[in-house]
Amino acid sequence: QSVLTQPPSASGTPGQRVTISCSGSSYNIGRNFVNWYRQLPGTAPKLLICRNNERPSGVPDRFSGSKYGASASLAISGLQSEDEADYYCAAWDDGLQGPVFGGGTKLTVL
Amino acid sequence: EVQLVESGGGLVKPGGSLRLSCAASGFTFRTFTMNWVRQAPGKGLEWVSTISSDSSWINYADSVKGRFTISRDNAKNSLHLQMNSLRVEDTAVYYCARVFPMLRWDPTLTVASDYWGQGTLVTVSS
Repeated sequence: QSVLTQPPSASGTPGQRVTISCSGSSYNIGRNFVNWYRQLPGTAPKLLICRNNERPSGVPDRFSGSKYGASASLAISGLQSEDEADYYCAAWDDGLQGPVFGGGTKLTVL
Repeated sequence: EVQLVESGGGLVKPGGSLRLSCAASGFTFRTFTMNWVRQAPGKGLEWVSTISSDSSWINYADSVKGRFTISRDNAKNSLHLQMNSLRVEDTAVYYCARVFPMLRWDPTLTVASDYWGQGTLVTVSS
């Protein structure tokens, strides 16, 4: 059972906009930054969004993050077939005194 | 080009030990905080341990505290994870990762890792 809760799956068609949610508590998302990772099959995770809504260099502006209270979401616009991957949210947890991850959302591009 | 290359994984019996290493290149290793993150087969990501650039701040997940030891050698651009008293549930791919640059030290910012190695598989089985 992950500390942060994500839907196990999501889907969309090419060109569509999809969002992936991440729910936490006042110990983590409620008072700390949220980060998002993408993991393509058989590869290492890649940082997509840091500090709620910052995109590291090289990440397209199709990816955006937002936070509201103890929840956050990742939005992907102009969905592409190569976006088919697992997506993870992560945040610092003040109670556990360490990073916590969501269980991951498998995005399927139909 | 930033590169992180893990090594040292393998098959070990429960109760055994293993030492993972991560060779870093392409950046000024001594100025970056580093993470170990693992992923059990078919499962999600789990943070394992963090070490600050000068080794003055070290943090462990409760699941490995007292059994794993993180260390680094800035002169050799290398990161290590000594794993003792291994359990079946420690079976996973272990990734070393560089923490996204911070303007000021803040442990809550160690969650973000911008470069990852390819991972090394640790299998604990009798």
